[in-house]
This record gives sequence, structure tokens and C-alpha cells, in this order.
Amino acid sequence: AQSVTQLGSHVSVSEGALVLLRCNYSSSVPPYLFWYVQYPNQGLQLLLKYTTGATLVKGINGFEAEFKKSETSFHLTKPSAHMSDAAEYFCAVSGRWGNNRKLIWGLGTSLAVNP
Amino acid sequence: GAVVSQHPSRVICKSGTSVKIECRSLDFQATTMFWYRQFPKQSLMLMATSNEGSKATYEQGVEKDKFLINHASLTLSTLTVTSAHPEDSSFYICSARDWSKMGQGAHEQYFGPGTRLTVT
Repeated sequence: AQSVTQLGSHVSVSEGALVLLRCNYSSSVPPYLFWYVQYPNQGLQLLLKYTTGATLVKGINGFEAEFKKSETSFHLTKPSAHMSDAAEYFCAVSGRWGNNRKLIWGLGTSLAVNP
Repeated sequence: GAVVSQHPSRVICKSGTSVKIECRSLDFQATTMFWYRQFPKQSLMLMATSNEGSKATYEQGVEKDKFLINHASLTLSTLTVTSAHPEDSSFYICSARDWSKMGQGAHEQYFGPGTRLTVT
């Protein structure tokens, strides 16, 4: 069975500071990994994904994440936080075939950016 | 590209009535759509997986007779909440996979903006 753990339900950073949102997963099969962002009262937008190949993945809005198989992690980072980054962030994992392709979600991390 | 719309964005209904929520993929074909429910400050809970032309697959604990899902075309899936009660009040979100990209290993889901249901 697959699962996702997001460490820290709330993260607060200052504008211009490094953003680090943690995600660890467990999966018995090689996973696909995703980060989604949700702004208040809106649906989810894909930030980035890892499927195969390069383990450092760059996404939209200056975010990136690195797949570390040995640590079963897929942490999301951004060098310099902007006020507009304040939102809810969800990490998700899926398998690659058949019924394993549905997304398994973490509980989310709420990011606050302080001026 | 890959835009998913939901209608309505907000709906208020009286207890005992039924409400239909539409989910459309606007610029791609979606053989598979997903319906989620989200409670305030919580993660998404998958309710069911909807495949075009076949019956939906419901997650454990989701009442299929209460949450009717129809995926009649490659661009439209509907969720009907029957005999709604206040406990059904929630944020309902749909998502879809782009059928044309499946062979490329692209398994991300594209999400609609959500529907806020309030049952009084």
C-alpha cells in the first residue's frame, strides 16, 4: 500500500526566505510523485511531478523538488518566498499501472508568508 | 491547455433535495474522471473514479446510491447528491486525466475549481 506523510501541517516563512515543505512516501512499486497547490476556495494546480529520469524536478512559480529514493522523500523547495506563495500544498503519490494509478494524498501543509 | 470546469461553483439547497454538479474537460478528452470531497482545512478524500461509458468505482464507505455519478461522454461527468442532508455540505472537486497523454506516462490529474455545497 502507498502512503504519504507531510511533515508540518503549518509552515511560516518570511518573504524572501527559503521555502522547504517536506514529503515522505512509502510505496512498494516505483512511484510517480506530485506536488499540488491550492489557493483558498479553489481547485488544485499541479506544481511539478516526478515520473522518471532526472531526480531534480523544476516546476512552476520557481518551485522545485528532488526525488531521493534512498530517503523516500520528495521535498518541495523555493529559494525565495513571495507573498503570493501563501497557500495549501499537497504532496501525492501514485503507482504506474492500473488501479495503482489513483492519487494517494498527504494531509497538506499550509504555507504562510510574512512580510 | 488541460482546463477542467465545474458548475455550479456554489450551491445552497434544502435538506431532502437533490443537487447535480457537472465536471467538464474543456480542451481535452478524459476517459477517467475523479470526484473528491474536501472538508475545511483537510486533505482530499477520493469518493469515486468515473470511467466513460461504464459504472463508477466507489471508494470504501461512499454510498453509491447517495452519490450518483454519470460519465456519459469523454468530456462530461456529473455527480448528483441525492436527498442531501446538512452533513453532505462540503467542497466537491473533480479532476480528469488527459486520455491522449496516457501513453506518455503522464498521470497527473487536472482539477476543476470545486463546488461549494451547503445544505440547509
